[in-house]
Amino acid sequence: QSVLTQPPSVSGVPGQRVTISCTGSNSNIGAGYDVHWYQQLPGTAPKRLIYGNINRPSGVPDRFSGSRSGTSASLVITGLQAEDEADYYCQSYDSSLSGSGVFGGGTKLTVL
Amino acid sequence: QVQLVQSGAEVKKPGASVKISCKTSGYTFTIGHYIHWVRQAPGQGLEWMAWINPNTGGTKYAEKFQGRVTLTRDTSTNTAGMELSSLRSDDTAVYYCAREDNWLRSLDYWGQGTLVTVSS
Repeated sequence: QSVLTQPPSVSGVPGQRVTISCTGSNSNIGAGYDVHWYQQLPGTAPKRLIYGNINRPSGVPDRFSGSRSGTSASLVITGLQAEDEADYYCQSYDSSLSGSGVFGGGTKLTVL
Repeated sequence: QVQLVQSGAEVKKPGASVKISCKTSGYTFTIGHYIHWVRQAPGQGLEWMAWINPNTGGTKYAEKFQGRVTLTRDTSTNTAGMELSSLRSDDTAVYYCAREDNWLRSLDYWGQGTLVTVSS
């Protein structure tokens, strides 16, 4: 069981808006640790998508956005495209684990 | 440009140890960027293992791997290393090194991954 909880799967049709949630607790997200999101295409290493809750690295389309509130965070993808089909992971740190890193279990996004 | 290049795939028997290297380039290895290790078992999610401060050699290990994982760094070759001992079949996974950014602690650059297969 992952410290951060994500839905195992979400789906949408091209052009649609989808949201992936990441639920933590008062020892990680709720403690003020930033949330980061990664996209992993099949057979490749993860790629940073959102960092510091809301920031997009250069080259990441503005269709991707992040937010954090309380003990949860969300990744929103608007104008869904076929190439967005991938696994998405949230990541943070946890004070009850002495500052260790923690990941969500991952969410498989299917573009129908 | 920043690059992390990992050593090649390994096949090990149960009980053995494996050491994976992560050669970095394109930035100053000893300033500001921890190196993390993350693994992914077949068909599973990402699992955080540990980090090392390349400047001081200080480390932090996930409780699950305490006593079995050792992180090292070689500042002369800008290379980080991860050794996992007492291998079991459920250690079969792709192991990634990743650089931590020096601001918000995200993992901004990743190695290509190293497949470790544990099989008798």
